Amino acid sequence: AQKVTQAQTEISVVEKEDVTLDCVYETRDTTYYLFWYKQPPSGELVFLIRRNSFDEQNEISGRYSWNFQKSTSSFNFTITASQVVDSAVYFCAPSLIPGRRALTFGSGTRLQVQP
Amino acid sequence: DAGVIQSPRHEVTEMGQEVTLRCKPISGHNSLFWYRQTMMRGLELLIYFNNNVPIDDSGMPEDRFSAKMPNASFSTLKIQPSEPRDSAVYFCASSLGDRGLPDTQYFGPGTRLTVL
Repeated sequence: AQKVTQAQTEISVVEKEDVTLDCVYETRDTTYYLFWYKQPPSGELVFLIRRNSFDEQNEISGRYSWNFQKSTSSFNFTITASQVVDSAVYFCAPSLIPGRRALTFGSGTRLQVQP
Repeated sequence: DAGVIQSPRHEVTEMGQEVTLRCKPISGHNSLFWYRQTMMRGLELLIYFNNNVPIDDSGMPEDRFSAKMPNASFSTLKIQPSEPRDSAVYFCASSLGDRGLPDTQYFGPGTRLTVL
């Protein structure tokens, strides 16, 4: 069965440290999309990035960067120089089932950034 | 443009009562999704619509749950009768959905349901 694994349940870092959140998924499909969402303590789900499986270039947006490796089915997320405001639960959410627009959410990684 | 709107934001009800959650998607979006978030099961898809038609309801837990989308700007998720295990945060999300691809889903603020 297709599934997504975020093995890190919780990570705690000190402000200004870099941190990488891992995401590994299983899919039989060759064409799919990958998403990351952030859920801050307030509870809303905030979209961060959407990538397709054809594009393996790393993406950088400010302090955020993403490393997609199709060969290892991984889509990892790095926050550089973390800040307290980055404290949240981060979800990896690939579209794993062919023909379905729905996403399969990982269990999330809770990131605590200490001042 | 307003984001996805959900109401109510909080609902407390007693077991056996009917509960109706409401969602207004972003204008122009053709796909609408209902998710449920619990500590035990995480975020799981309940049902999604495309152009007001239910496409996949395999995540709906049981017959007590039903969802409708009578028009492009409104959807409801109904639980009748409600049970304590239905307590969760229910999210509605919408996406453009006009290309047959998994477009970015934008989430509403969620409805926190507590069934006593």
